[in-house]
Amino acid sequence: KQEVTQIPAALSVPEGENLVLNCSFTDSAIYNLQWFRQDPGKGLTSLLLIQSSQREQTSGRLNASLDKSSGRSTLYIAASQPGDSATYLCAVRRGGATNKLIFGTGTLLAVQP
Amino acid sequence: GAVVSQHPSWVICKSGTSVKIECRSLDFQATTMFWYRQFPKQSLMLMATSNEGSKATYEQGVEKDKFLINHASLTLSTLTVTSAHPEDSSFYICSAPGQGESEAFFGQGTRLTVV
Repeated sequence: KQEVTQIPAALSVPEGENLVLNCSFTDSAIYNLQWFRQDPGKGLTSLLLIQSSQREQTSGRLNASLDKSSGRSTLYIAASQPGDSATYLCAVRRGGATNKLIFGTGTLLAVQP
Repeated sequence: GAVVSQHPSWVICKSGTSVKIECRSLDFQATTMFWYRQFPKQSLMLMATSNEGSKATYEQGVEKDKFLINHASLTLSTLTVTSAHPEDSSFYICSAPGQGESEAFFGQGTRLTVV
């Protein structure tokens, strides 16, 4: 059974700091991995999608890496801003007949102005 | 990108009544949709997989008679919470997977409060 864990569970940083969020998964047989942002009481905003054959993806100040063999992904946020404050979720997709997302436990990020 | 629309965004209902939540894919067809539930300060937990034209597949521990899923067309899946109780109060969100190597797309979510 796939289990996805995120560390840390919560993080508070001053504005401008670079930070790394971690995601680990137990079954390396994944199709892709997706990072989401969730604001309080809201739905999900997709940030980055990494295919199983890729090592990293970048979008603006965000960079996500994937090491499938070790079951790890990181989300790097450069020059953090108060507007980055949210819960960040990673999710892995197995594909095929079980084409569903398994979500991580989430990291609650607070960027202090 | 593809859009998934979920309605209503929030609903308050009395204990014992039923509530229907709709999930529509607006510009693409979805033979499969997924329903998730999220309790406060917790991650999303998959409840069931909705399959167009066939029965839904439920995750372990999810009561299929309580959470009725219907996927009658390629663009619409519905989740009905029957005989709702306060412990069913939660955030429900649907998702449709993209085709091939595409990303998954999510609805806006529905906040259900049972009083």
